[in-house]
Amino acid sequence: NAGVTQTPKFRVLKTGQSMTLLCAQDMNHEYMYWYRQDPGMGLRLIHYSVGEGTTAKGEVPDGYNVSRLKKQNFLLGLESAAPSQTSVYFCASRLLAEGLYNEQFFGPGTRLTVL
Amino acid sequence: AQKVTQAQTEISVVEKEDVTLDCVYETRDTTYYLFWYKQPPSGELVFLIRRNSFDEQNEISGRYSWNFQKSTSSFNFTITASQVVDSAVYFCALSVYNTDKLIFGTGTRLQVFP
Repeated sequence: NAGVTQTPKFRVLKTGQSMTLLCAQDMNHEYMYWYRQDPGMGLRLIHYSVGEGTTAKGEVPDGYNVSRLKKQNFLLGLESAAPSQTSVYFCASRLLAEGLYNEQFFGPGTRLTVL
Repeated sequence: AQKVTQAQTEISVVEKEDVTLDCVYETRDTTYYLFWYKQPPSGELVFLIRRNSFDEQNEISGRYSWNFQKSTSSFNFTITASQVVDSAVYFCALSVYNTDKLIFGTGTRLQVFP
């Protein structure tokens, strides 16, 4: 099993450009998450999904959109990139289990620089 | 509101020293889960432990041990006889029952020198 994979690993954008980050998981997990990690701020939740076709806002959703058309994929889009979106982006997934909060499994991260 | 505080930004130790990473959490809910994750220099996040609020037993796994104390809202992590491979950023995180989110602390960077 590959677990959680992210594409691409690195990307440099110019201000105003758009891009999509792809997250894929092969563990049949219901939940998927997108985080950003900035120095000294830990991981902050951007958007998440509790199942195919559903998405919800996290702590820092502005400037991002997401889609979950297939259970195994969770896409993060930046429509008009800004330098403030320079960050490392992590995707995670989690198995749904009644009455239990299972751990999240993380992808390797995508380092995005916006010039 | 929920919050996780890791007051130690960076800790440096020499190999074989014991080190404790502090984690203090805030929540009014009675059912919640606490986690520790490790982020080595390679960047990935590795799950270490999950503890629910009804289980205050301390846990030991090899050189790692965790001390959960509800009375002080703390979930501290101790590495015994530290090794260079323990150098990483360690995150404590909290999830409240019936929410779908994980709230992370800001992390503690541990450097173990030979």
